[in-house]
Amino acid sequence: QSALTQPASVSGSPGQSIAISCTGTNSDIGAYNYVSWYQQHPGKVPKLVIFDVSSRPSGVSNRFSGSKSGNTASLTISGLQADDEADYYCSSYTIRRSWVFGGGTQLTVL
Amino acid sequence: QLQLQESGPGLVKPSETLALTCSVSGASVSGDDWSWVRQPPGKGLEWIATIFMTGVTDYNPSLRSRVTLSVDASRGHFSLQLTSATAADTAVYFCARYYDRGLDSWGQGILVAVPP
Repeated sequence: QSALTQPASVSGSPGQSIAISCTGTNSDIGAYNYVSWYQQHPGKVPKLVIFDVSSRPSGVSNRFSGSKSGNTASLTISGLQADDEADYYCSSYTIRRSWVFGGGTQLTVL
Repeated sequence: QLQLQESGPGLVKPSETLALTCSVSGASVSGDDWSWVRQPPGKGLEWIATIFMTGVTDYNPSLRSRVTLSVDASRGHFSLQLTSATAADTAVYFCARYYDRGLDSWGQGILVAVPP
């Protein structure tokens, strides 16, 4: 199965909003509303920030939001903070009863 | 508080079986669903497999023929076996709880190297 497509990098200034896209196919993102997003700081463990396209786990800031249109999902981070600088990975359930990750996006806070 | 801890050899010879265990504390291993994810050095995440409390297992199609997951409720852990290891299997291996269609708790990860 092919990885979902994410931009290699995005950047933004503190206080701004940024969006990270995640493009899949009719066999994964387009098939289910089962998209999740993970934040990973360098050398650290991934952290779930969004599940089921737009739901936030308890304790995750409401500055993180998710959406989906067709075969593309997006993660939006508003009010950008220095600690948001990290790698972000999307993931989707597929029709093959499997999960697939995106290649990851490096977020730089300028 | 749920805690996960991976354990196993840090070095596996080519063609041998990579075997890891994830010890679970703060929850019943037989009462939740569990996953394995790996990350080659400097690269992205790759989902390996998920085992459900029902015993059903979903596998990454590209690894299906080489992967086995199991749960040992009496010992409070679940395990991963990956046969016929190659250098391409060198990665940090994470165990995680699969909950509400997300991986909400993760172990610290264990680096497993398979030399060329």
